[in-house]
Amino acid sequence: SQTIHQWPATLVQPVGSPLSLECTVEGTSNPNLYWYRQAAGRGLQLLFYSVGIGQISSEVPQNLSASRPQDRQFILSSKKLLLSDSGFYLCAWTLGPHNEQFFGPGTRLTVL
Amino acid sequence: RKEVEQDPGPFNVPEGATVAFNCTYSNSASQSFFWYRQDCRKEPKLLMSVYSSGNEDGRFTAQLNRASQYISLLIRDSKLSDSATYLCVVNMDTGRRALTFGSGTRLQVQP
Repeated sequence: SQTIHQWPATLVQPVGSPLSLECTVEGTSNPNLYWYRQAAGRGLQLLFYSVGIGQISSEVPQNLSASRPQDRQFILSSKKLLLSDSGFYLCAWTLGPHNEQFFGPGTRLTVL
Repeated sequence: RKEVEQDPGPFNVPEGATVAFNCTYSNSASQSFFWYRQDCRKEPKLLMSVYSSGNEDGRFTAQLNRASQYISLLIRDSKLSDSATYLCVVNMDTGRRALTFGSGTRLQVQP
């Protein structure tokens, strides 16, 4: 069966510091991968998606970037965090024709 | 107008009650529809997929009305463990290969 991992689970970072969040998927090949952010009390905002190694599509302009160095690895990065980057970051994968998505446990980021 | 719109609630219902949530979507070309459940500070989990006119899974029934562009979720015999936020999710097939999420409806089942 497929599983999806994210780390770290929680993170507290100062403004201006760099960020690297990692997501890996097991038990599947060539999945579509997604990064979402959920601000407190809000809905999910799609940040990036990837249909294959090295293929990244950005949904919103911001100081975040994403990379997919391996088939089942998706990384979210920032060179300098802003206060507004605080939130719950979720990685998801999909493979089915109807695009059901399955989420990792998430990373809760607080920028101070 | 939001692409996927839900009443945020909260819906406060007693145990054993029947509760229904509605959701409207803006894109008439949308292809598939889902309900996700999200517990506090946890990731969303797929509850049901709605592919045609609707489907049932135990106490949960999802309905789709393409003409009016809304989907609904009915929960019968509510349990305390049903307390959560329910997200309406639509595959709008816009080429983004991504889903569009509603902001969620919060349900609180009370003893």
